[in-house]
Amino acid sequence: GQQLNQSPQSMFIQEGEDVSMNCTSSSIFNTWLWYKQDPGEGPVLLIALYKAGELTSNGRLTAQFGITRKDSFLNISASIPSDVGIYFCAGREDNYQLIWGAGTKLIIKP
Amino acid sequence: DAGVTQSPTHLIKTRGQQVTLRCSPKSGHDTVSWYQQALGQGPQFIFQYYEEEERQRGNFPDRFSGHQFPNYSSELNVNALLLGDSALYLCASSYDRGGWDSPLHFGNGTRLTVT
Repeated sequence: GQQLNQSPQSMFIQEGEDVSMNCTSSSIFNTWLWYKQDPGEGPVLLIALYKAGELTSNGRLTAQFGITRKDSFLNISASIPSDVGIYFCAGREDNYQLIWGAGTKLIIKP
Repeated sequence: DAGVTQSPTHLIKTRGQQVTLRCSPKSGHDTVSWYQQALGQGPQFIFQYYEEEERQRGNFPDRFSGHQFPNYSSELNVNALLLGDSALYLCASSYDRGGWDSPLHFGNGTRLTVT
């Protein structure tokens, strides 16, 4: 099935460092979403973006909807141990299904 | 306020068998979507149910079917199971009146293993 290009695939960082990950697509999306999935659980919505160029924050998380509508990035500032998990981007056109990236696995070294 | 609940949490089936997975949406939600998540991958959209009808379908064969009940709960049925059907099956609910881009709330999934 169709997937977005999400990078990096995994990240090993020190606690306190900033994190950056991004997603690109060959298609134009009207909505970009960022989710986090912990082991044994379903994805949890972190940030939703609805407008090209939009920059939205949720605590230490900041995400942007690319101006071309074909990309988005997520930044996490001052990472803490509970940030560990898999982060997914998802895009939506004018329909009901979400197209997902393959995920970025975040591992924090104490 | 209960979130999205799915049952069972784990299931082991044999090739060729049939399976039914169940989902109760978050309180106040009327729309249910089903996704398949293979190990190490993002979820893939199977279909969405609204007003007891399949509203949109992803690229999955007819072996995958579903149903939505008047109380908005939903079932996913998979016939003639293949080894490749082994995955985490996620149910997500949303509120249709919030628009087609209303946020999805996911359950914790059913882990299906086909042997």
